Amino acid sequence: QVQLQESGPGLLKPSQTLSLTCSVSGDSIRSGGFFCSWIRQYPGKGLEWIGYIYHSGITFYNPSLKSRVAMSVDTSKNFFSLEVTSVTIADTAVYFCATDVGYDGFDHWGPGILVTVSS
Amino acid sequence: QSVLTQPPSVSGAPGQRVTISCIGNNSNIGSGFDVHWYQQFPGTAPKLLIYGNSNRPSGVPDRFSGSKSGTSASLTITGLQADDEADYYCQSYDNRLRVFGGGTTLTVL
Repeated sequence: QVQLQESGPGLLKPSQTLSLTCSVSGDSIRSGGFFCSWIRQYPGKGLEWIGYIYHSGITFYNPSLKSRVAMSVDTSKNFFSLEVTSVTIADTAVYFCATDVGYDGFDHWGPGILVTVSS
Repeated sequence: QSVLTQPPSVSGAPGQRVTISCIGNNSNIGSGFDVHWYQQFPGTAPKLLIYGNSNRPSGVPDRFSGSKSGTSASLTITGLQADDEADYYCQSYDNRLRVFGGGTTLTVL
């Protein structure tokens, strides 16, 4: 059973860079063939897909965030990462990592990590 | 503003049937992309409830069913139970972009 766990700072100041890591256990990112995504949920419900990275390093980002987002993957240590630069209060959200295999839905999720941006 | 449109809330009495709609357009659901549904309880991650429009992952009761037609999809829950009270989200695609609905809160009266 694949398990995901997010980690990283929970409090940032405006203009700082958000950096999160998602550790994967129970399967290999490389052999599992899944797309590793980051999704955020704003206070009050809405879900926003940020982007994905494949084990090969291929990425695809949501155009709404593309200029500020970077993802990376370390297949030897089985984790993938997210960076969002120049954060503002509007980036306050619970950040989830999740995986899907093509177009079959996100079948595995991390528990999520609350990231608060505040001065 | 979510790409897919869901009603903010629905409600029903125990034992009843409720349906949650998910409306898209010709660049997402209407382009033939599948719709998936997630169930989320407070403080937890969403859980895949229906995938590929109408398929249930192992362990999901058959009280939950999904369908898709044209540019919209729906999730139906029959035999409503108290522990079905949760938020429900639809998800589809706009080419490689994953898009979500705004979520629907189900209240069991």
